[in-house]
Amino acid sequence: LAKTTQPISMDSYEGQEVNITCSHNNIATNDYITWYQQFPSQGPRFIIQGYKTKVTNEVASLFIPADRKSSTLSLPRVSLSDTAVYYCLVVTNAGNNRKLIWGLGTSLAVNP
Amino acid sequence: DAEITQSPRHKITETGRQVTLACHQTWNHNNMFWYRQDLGHGLRLIHYSYGVHDTNKGEVSDGYSVSRSNTEDLPLTLESAASSQTSVYFCASSESISLKLTDTQYFGPGTRLTVL
Repeated sequence: LAKTTQPISMDSYEGQEVNITCSHNNIATNDYITWYQQFPSQGPRFIIQGYKTKVTNEVASLFIPADRKSSTLSLPRVSLSDTAVYYCLVVTNAGNNRKLIWGLGTSLAVNP
Repeated sequence: DAEITQSPRHKITETGRQVTLACHQTWNHNNMFWYRQDLGHGLRLIHYSYGVHDTNKGEVSDGYSVSRSNTEDLPLTLESAASSQTSVYFCASSESISLKLTDTQYFGPGTRLTVL
């Protein structure tokens, strides 16, 4: 069963690119990788999902190497409003073994 | 606009009392989930449902129960509240029509429960 590990915290400055890496060494063939963002006193909000290689949307990119044992969320040119906790989620969707494996979250602080 | 709501937003109760937290979504989503969030533990799945009359246990289901009598609601009941159940509880829903968990989850605003 996949276990997700991510850094507890990161610091950055406005305008920089931020990369948050999640380790999921035991990821299975049918598992997907998803990232969520959470602001204080709110529920998490979907950012991006991927299975392999690279996925990009209007807010982030997700890089997944060929072995899929890790994934990297990339936030381009962060602003103060990107200060939040970012969660990595591995979803196992195969047969009777459906699981949601959440990481503990990475607290990103964006400084002026 | 479609949304997902939770009530109450804050609740204080005493050990041993039965407590029910409400979750209501207007997206007509099939899947609904209940999580608890605690410092150092992140989000932990309590129960989930693929549709009406379907419920499944998550990783921390002991002491909690759910029932799904319609598409819109998944109430979470703490049968006999314990101090260890003091937490922030989040409800979520996702669209899925084929028992998938990979679809985007939409979270409610959370309920902060304190058990004294």
